[in-house]
Amino acid sequence: KAGVTQTPRYLIKTRGQQVTLSCSPISGHRSVSWYQQTPGQGLQFLFEYFSETQRNKGNFPGRFSGRQFSNSRSEMNVSTLELGDSALYLCASSLAWGSSDTQYFGPGTRLTVL
Amino acid sequence: GEDVEQSLFLSVREGDSSVINCTYTDSSSTYLYWYKQEPGAGLQLLTYIFSNMDMKQDQRLTVLLNKKDKHLSLRIADTQTGDSAIYFCAEIKAAGNKLTFGGGTRVLVKP
Repeated sequence: KAGVTQTPRYLIKTRGQQVTLSCSPISGHRSVSWYQQTPGQGLQFLFEYFSETQRNKGNFPGRFSGRQFSNSRSEMNVSTLELGDSALYLCASSLAWGSSDTQYFGPGTRLTVL
Repeated sequence: GEDVEQSLFLSVREGDSSVINCTYTDSSSTYLYWYKQEPGAGLQLLTYIFSNMDMKQDQRLTVLLNKKDKHLSLRIADTQTGDSAIYFCAEIKAAGNKLTFGGGTRVLVKP
């Protein structure tokens, strides 16, 4: 069974631009979560989706948004990019929504904002 | 402070055992996880333990949970150079799938 895939793997953008990252979960998994990883802040939760609905949101500004499609694929969007948005963005999938479901991570998208 | 805390660095000789420690503060945590991250890669799930368990063994990995002290440890037996990586512990609480991570422990295995 294929793992979690994320595209693109690397992105370079300039301040003020916007970016869209994509995540395809493991086949059969219906829940997708997003995390931001930076050297200074570590791994921080962005949001999670299940059945096309956002179930939980982390403490990030409204410039960060996401959505989930009927096939469980998810996208996250960052508008008006800032230098501090440079990070590794990780997507995780799990079977369903709930504390008993193990999450499996993709390889991440490394975003560099110049 | 962070909900989950880990020491920053661990150096170990090849063939020895490694013990990585983690403390958490929320007694309502239901599952506790260990993930491994190699350079330039995502997070690889190593193992997990449910909060009503004290120990879990999976090949070279042993997880110990002390609920009273809110202390979690990961022991890697016969550590190999391929075990050099950053190890994260994480907790998940009653509702939802949100993981709260520690800052990670960088493990360096010396030949």
